[in-house]
Amino acid sequence: AQSVTQPDIHITVSEGASLELRCNYSYGATPYLFWYVQSPGQGLQLLLKYFSGDTLVQGIKGFEAEFKRSQSSFNLRKPSVHWSDAAEYFCAVGALNFGNEKLTFGTGTRLTIIP
Amino acid sequence: DARVTQTPRHKVTEMGQEVTMRCQPILGHNTVFWYRQTMMQGLELLAYFRNRAPLDDSGMPKDRFSAEMPDATLATLKIQPSEPRDSAVYFCASGPTSGDTQYFGPGTRLTVL
Repeated sequence: AQSVTQPDIHITVSEGASLELRCNYSYGATPYLFWYVQSPGQGLQLLLKYFSGDTLVQGIKGFEAEFKRSQSSFNLRKPSVHWSDAAEYFCAVGALNFGNEKLTFGTGTRLTIIP
Repeated sequence: DARVTQTPRHKVTEMGQEVTMRCQPILGHNTVFWYRQTMMQGLELLAYFRNRAPLDDSGMPKDRFSAEMPDATLATLKIQPSEPRDSAVYFCASGPTSGDTQYFGPGTRLTVL
């Protein structure tokens, strides 16, 4: 069964500082990996996704993530955070085979930005 | 800008009442998902459909929950009877036939007293 672990429940970062959110997955085949962001009272918005190819993927809002198969990780990074980045971030893994389009989400990491 | 819409956005009801939540997927999307989000359990997949046919509802309590797609533009999630433990935010998401990204609606916040 596929699973996702986000080891950090809550992270606090100063505005302008760099950010890395950790994500580890467990999946028997080549995974499809996603990062979503959820602002308070809102639905989830896709930041970026990895299906194949270049292991460093660029997303919206200046975010990027790197797929490392040897470490079963897909960490999210941003070189300089903005106050508007405060939100909850979810990593997800899926098979996306026809007939098995389910995603499994991690428990999320809440990001707080301090001035 | 195509979006998934959900109604109602907020619902407060009393235990034992029927609750119906509605979702309009993005036009052209053939897969529809229902999730429940709580502090304790996080995001849980309840059910999903492809081309209006249910493919997996193993995450849904069968005795009180039901999910349907009466047509391609409407998905419904019903709870009858509702219980306080059903209090959560319920999200609908849709995606294209080939899988790929799921696009989430704003959610329905349900409170069962």
